[in-house]
Amino acid sequence: GAVVSQHPSRVICKSGTSVKIECRSLDFQATTMFWYRQFPKQSLMLMATSNEGSKATYEQGVEKDKFLINHASLTLSTLTVTSAHPEDSSFYICSAAGTSGEQYFGPGTRLTVT
Amino acid sequence: GESVGLHLPTLSVQEGDNSIINCAYSNSASDYFIWYKQESGKGPQFIIDIRSNMDKRQGQRVTVLLNKTVKHLSLQIAATQPGDSAVYFCAENPPSGGYNKLIFGAGTRLAVHP
Repeated sequence: GAVVSQHPSRVICKSGTSVKIECRSLDFQATTMFWYRQFPKQSLMLMATSNEGSKATYEQGVEKDKFLINHASLTLSTLTVTSAHPEDSSFYICSAAGTSGEQYFGPGTRLTVT
Repeated sequence: GESVGLHLPTLSVQEGDNSIINCAYSNSASDYFIWYKQESGKGPQFIIDIRSNMDKRQGQRVTVLLNKTVKHLSLQIAATQPGDSAVYFCAENPPSGGYNKLIFGAGTRLAVHP
């Protein structure tokens, strides 16, 4: 089946710094990638949708200048959390969709901002 | 706004019993629904899906039922095993242009006791 990886799996950063999370589709080309955020004991909340080669579409309430998304190729999307603060600590999950539209989820990245 | 909700936040069952997890959705125009299983610290794992032109779909030990009249979705797990312990999310794909957006429900934690 389709495999999606994320790197890093865990990251700790200091408040005010930026951190980049990578999402890769390993065995298929992803025309669309999605980024979700999940707080403890809560559901997945869609942050943004990115299509290869175009600007990401952000959900209402998500700051595009704080959460920078780049989808430079059909197998890689990156999420950069800029000027991170403790309230940005969360579990970030990406998914990738091929031409069928079915989403395949990555294993998630645990971000802790100290 | 659009939302997908669950009736039960937690469900405890005995090993070997059948489990039923319920979900209510709000967008009557949604045409595709998915159940995901999420284990602690991992990304969601696809279980089963159903399109709106069906009212039942069966997989291995799992059955999804869709009642469009009352906008209700359920996941039935037969002969529940300890390995089924996880949080289960339903997700809804409302009509949208350009990409297959998913709206996740709140989740139900399934605890299987020996």
